[in-house]
Amino acid sequence: EAQVTQNPRYLITVTGKKLTVTCSQNMNHEYMSWYRQDPGLGLRQIYYSMNVEVTDKGDVPEGYKVSRKEKRNFPLILESPSPNQTSLYFCASSASRVFNEKLFFGSGTQLSVL
Amino acid sequence: DQQVKQNSPSLSVQEGRISILNCDYTNSMFDYFLWYKKYPAEGPTFLISISSIKDKNEDGRFTVFLNKSAKHLSLHIVPSQPGDSAVYFCAASSRGQGAQKLVFGQGTRLTINP
Repeated sequence: EAQVTQNPRYLITVTGKKLTVTCSQNMNHEYMSWYRQDPGLGLRQIYYSMNVEVTDKGDVPEGYKVSRKEKRNFPLILESPSPNQTSLYFCASSASRVFNEKLFFGSGTQLSVL
Repeated sequence: DQQVKQNSPSLSVQEGRISILNCDYTNSMFDYFLWYKKYPAEGPTFLISISSIKDKNEDGRFTVFLNKSAKHLSLHIVPSQPGDSAVYFCAASSRGQGAQKLVFGQGTRLTINP
């Protein structure tokens, strides 16, 4: 089954404790991206990757890091989480190199930073 | 600066009637538009899209209309069904700059009442 898998689904942590949210897709997609969803703000892009070892900032990259060492994986790293990073996070992938049409999203990771 | 705006946070419609969800954008470089649907505890899923060379695209019960001069698009669902109850996100993309980023609106929660 074609899918984007995020782990964990829920995470509660404390300020400053480094964490990683994993994302993996089994569709051989070149394009992957991370979004956060906040009330009244919709989905905002954090980082995206056009291919292995190619990443770029989205609209809200501060406080986040990503890496793309393999085509299927695109982890999101919070080196020193803060309460304003409490949010619902989505990883997505697409086969399209031109448009992000038909992005496939993971089921989300609800992060709470205390 | 919200480039894609969905000004109605929620909408309630009677089953069988038409649902109309609206979206406005400010960036004249946007030339591809999409609607995504999101159920609770799931990631968004692609619903329908439209290129700026068209003013209408239809897929079954779903039709998207684009008014470029007004920088406005709308999603019509006819007839509305209880399973259509979800959050709907409008999104826009620009091919010209090579930007591989989708910009999302805030979302509209649609509730279909039996």
